[in-house]
Amino acid sequence: SQQGEEDPQALSIQEGENATMNCSYKTSINNLQWYRQNSGRGLVHLILIRSNEREKHSGRLRVTLDTSKKSSSLLITASRAADTASYFCATVLHTGNQFYFGTGTSLTVIP
Amino acid sequence: DGGITQSPKYLFRKEGQNVTLSCEQNLNHDAMYWYRQDPGQGLRLIYYSQIVNDFQKGDIAEGYSVSREKKESFPLTVTSAQKNPTAFYLCASSVVQGAVYNQPQHFGDGTRLSIL
Repeated sequence: SQQGEEDPQALSIQEGENATMNCSYKTSINNLQWYRQNSGRGLVHLILIRSNEREKHSGRLRVTLDTSKKSSSLLITASRAADTASYFCATVLHTGNQFYFGTGTSLTVIP
Repeated sequence: DGGITQSPKYLFRKEGQNVTLSCEQNLNHDAMYWYRQDPGQGLRLIYYSQIVNDFQKGDIAEGYSVSREKKESFPLTVTSAQKNPTAFYLCASSVVQGAVYNQPQHFGDGTRLSIL
């Protein structure tokens, strides 16, 4: 299965600290996307990085992509209690007609 | 405001009963998707549709059916053949540009289905 694996499964940090979560996948991709899910809600798109890009920033978010290692990381800087959520990576293959979601990282930011 | 509306928010199914989950979008997106999410798990694709009157099975289509008669609507029926339907169901849509889905997916707020 192409489904990604996020690491760690759960992460608990103090407010103000940085949070890093990783995503690994199995086959070559066209792009990789990160989503956030608050408890009991739908997913919200955070950032998309294409296979020819190595790093992207959006506000307090920084995403890196290493296609040689088939992995990506999401860094949230200066975390806030409101960042508490589950974070998922999704990969899109070169054939391009499906999104493959990972198993998610549950982030808890303690005030 | 544009978005995706799923209804109902909570749904209960009796043994042997079919139930239908509604998904409507006003984003003018061509592609629509249904996912199933079990507790503590990622999303698994049930069905997806790239265009009206056409849809394809995802990884776990058994026991489910869909229709795509209008661009805005993609209802999911959970049939009595689905023996373990208790889950959180999410509908999503996206723009299609060429052959590759390089645009984000937009999600509804889900329907939680339980067995009575």
